[in-house]
Amino acid sequence: NAGVTQTPKFQVLKTGQSMTLQCAQDMNHEYMSWYRQDPGMGLRLIHYSVGAGITDQGEVPNGYNVSRSTTEDFPLRLLSAAPSQTSVYFCASSYSYYRGNSPLHFGNGTRLTVT
Amino acid sequence: AQSVTQLDSQVPVFEEAPVELRCNYSSSVSVYLFWYVQYPNQGLQLLLKYLSGSTLVKGINGFEAEFNKSQTSFHLRKPSVHISDTAEYFCAVSDSVNQGAQKLVFGQGTRLTINP
Repeated sequence: NAGVTQTPKFQVLKTGQSMTLQCAQDMNHEYMSWYRQDPGMGLRLIHYSVGAGITDQGEVPNGYNVSRSTTEDFPLRLLSAAPSQTSVYFCASSYSYYRGNSPLHFGNGTRLTVT
Repeated sequence: AQSVTQLDSQVPVFEEAPVELRCNYSSSVSVYLFWYVQYPNQGLQLLLKYLSGSTLVKGINGFEAEFNKSQTSFHLRKPSVHISDTAEYFCAVSDSVNQGAQKLVFGQGTRLTINP
């Protein structure tokens, strides 16, 4: 049982480059989300999805795009990378967006550096 | 909107000593409360959660937390820590009324270091 799988684990980009961070889950979870983790700031929600075809913005959505064409996958796109996007990115999923007794399952993160 | 403040960014403790990690939250509506743990180079794992009912919540690895509505706090405690408890701990809150329970707002994190 793989859980939540994020690729790549590490990435270095130059300013202005684009890339996609991949996230896949094999638990048939309807809810998926992306967080960024920065020192002293905890985790901040970027985008989330309550099901295939449905996405919404979180606290810090600027500079990021998402789509949810399947239940399993929720890629995060950086269209034009900036140094301020240097961070550790976590994908998380849950059985249900609405149920508090359904814990979030996190991937192991992608460490992104933008130079 | 909710917010979470973890009052200590770093907590050093000797092995087998008790520990308390403090968390205060702010919200205009009823909330769900969570503690997550992050071991080095890993994602977060759920330690425990408060949804309703008893204000004392027990979690994994011997941790417990108490929900105090009047003080808007949800402090995490363990009576005797082990070297393996060294990790970063995050308190989180979500809106139990208007939005999804999984739209979590996290605190800044507390790095717990256990010294032998």
